[in-house]
Amino acid sequence: NAGVTQTPKFQVLKTGQSMTLQCAQDMNHNSMYWYRQDPGMGLRLIYYSASEGTTDKGEVPNGYNVSRLNKREFSLRLESAAPSQTSVYFCASSELGDLYEQYFGPGTRLTVT
Amino acid sequence: SQQGEEDPQALSIQEGENATMNCSYKTSINNLQWYRQNSGRGLVHLILIRSNEREKHSGRLRVTLDTSKKSSSLLITASRAADTASYFCATDPIYNQGGKLIFGQGTELSVKP
Repeated sequence: NAGVTQTPKFQVLKTGQSMTLQCAQDMNHNSMYWYRQDPGMGLRLIYYSASEGTTDKGEVPNGYNVSRLNKREFSLRLESAAPSQTSVYFCASSELGDLYEQYFGPGTRLTVT
Repeated sequence: SQQGEEDPQALSIQEGENATMNCSYKTSINNLQWYRQNSGRGLVHLILIRSNEREKHSGRLRVTLDTSKKSSSLLITASRAADTASYFCATDPIYNQGGKLIFGQGTELSVKP
């Protein structure tokens, strides 16, 4: 079991460029999440998908879009990158419900210049 | 907004000592979870405590929850250098749907050999 995988591990973009961060999980989880982590800010939820076919905004959704491609895959797209989106991005998955922990991927370190 | 506030922000101890980290939150919760993050890695779930539980143990970890004070503490006993990491509390507020968690800003623990 690979758990939660993310690609790429590192990326440098110029302002205005677009890119898609990929996430896949092999644990048959219903729910998937995208977070960003900035120094001193903890993790903030960008978007989540409670189950296949549904997506909802989190705390900081502006500038991002998501696609729940199937039960395994949940991608995050930056249409026009800005320096404020420089961050480390984590994908996570869990079973649906109140009593389940989240499993995290290794992260993507994104720099926007 | 940050649901969880952690204290202290940083903690430095000697190997063999105990480490205590605290988390306070603002709204009623279904459960509270603690995660560990090693430098440059994703978060790893440590322990989950339900709102109707007051204390839980897992190996060298002891978690307490006081819902009347809206606070939790994580105690790591007999710490080791390998415990050096950042520790985050995460709450699952009652008003949430979809198992979304709200993370605190974390406590950075350094255990010196």
